[in-house]
Amino acid sequence: DAGVIQSPRHEVTEMGQEVTLRCKPISGHNSLFWYRQTMMRGLELLIYFNNNVPIDDSGMPEDRFSAKMPNASFSTLKIQPSEPRDSAVYFCASSLEVAGGWEETQYFGPGTRLLVL
Amino acid sequence: GQQVMQIPQYQHVQEGEDFTTYCNSSTTLSNIQWYKQRPGGHPVFLIQLVKSGEVKKQKRLTFQFGEAKKNSSLHITATQTTDVGTYFCAPRRSGGSNYKLTFGKGTLLTVNP
Repeated sequence: DAGVIQSPRHEVTEMGQEVTLRCKPISGHNSLFWYRQTMMRGLELLIYFNNNVPIDDSGMPEDRFSAKMPNASFSTLKIQPSEPRDSAVYFCASSLEVAGGWEETQYFGPGTRLLVL
Repeated sequence: GQQVMQIPQYQHVQEGEDFTTYCNSSTTLSNIQWYKQRPGGHPVFLIQLVKSGEVKKQKRLTFQFGEAKKNSSLHITATQTTDVGTYFCAPRRSGGSNYKLTFGKGTLLTVNP
């Protein structure tokens, strides 16, 4: 099992540029999460997909952020335009949600370290 | 909303000393998970606690869930340099969205060899 795969692992870009982060969840998992981690705010949930459908995007900072999950094996998080305050580590995590939905372990990818200059 | 406080924020110990981190919630929890993140790494699941007063052990790690299901602790006996990292609690509140884990700010543990 390859685990959750994220790309790129590192991204340095200039303010105003578009940034696309990619995630491949663990095969068979039906839930996918995007998190952002910073020193100041810790680990924040940005958006949650279940069976490829966005269920909760209340954590998405603003309209500059968008996420898609076109199929069960791929998701993207896009920032357009990027700003220096978006600099953070972005993690994708996946899990297998079962009936009742309260026992799942989340498996995190290695993260994408984003620096916006 | 649910408030999760994790203390201490930082802890530096000598190798061989014990270590404890505490997680406190303002609301009753359905269950709580604990994760470890090594420096430069990603969070890795350690354990889940569900029952009131539950205690679980993993080698030198002991996890407890409070009787009121509002707090939890992680205790490491005789720390080793491999224990270095940030330990996060991730509670799920009762009656809320089951999928949602609210991560604490974590406790960064450093171990002096």
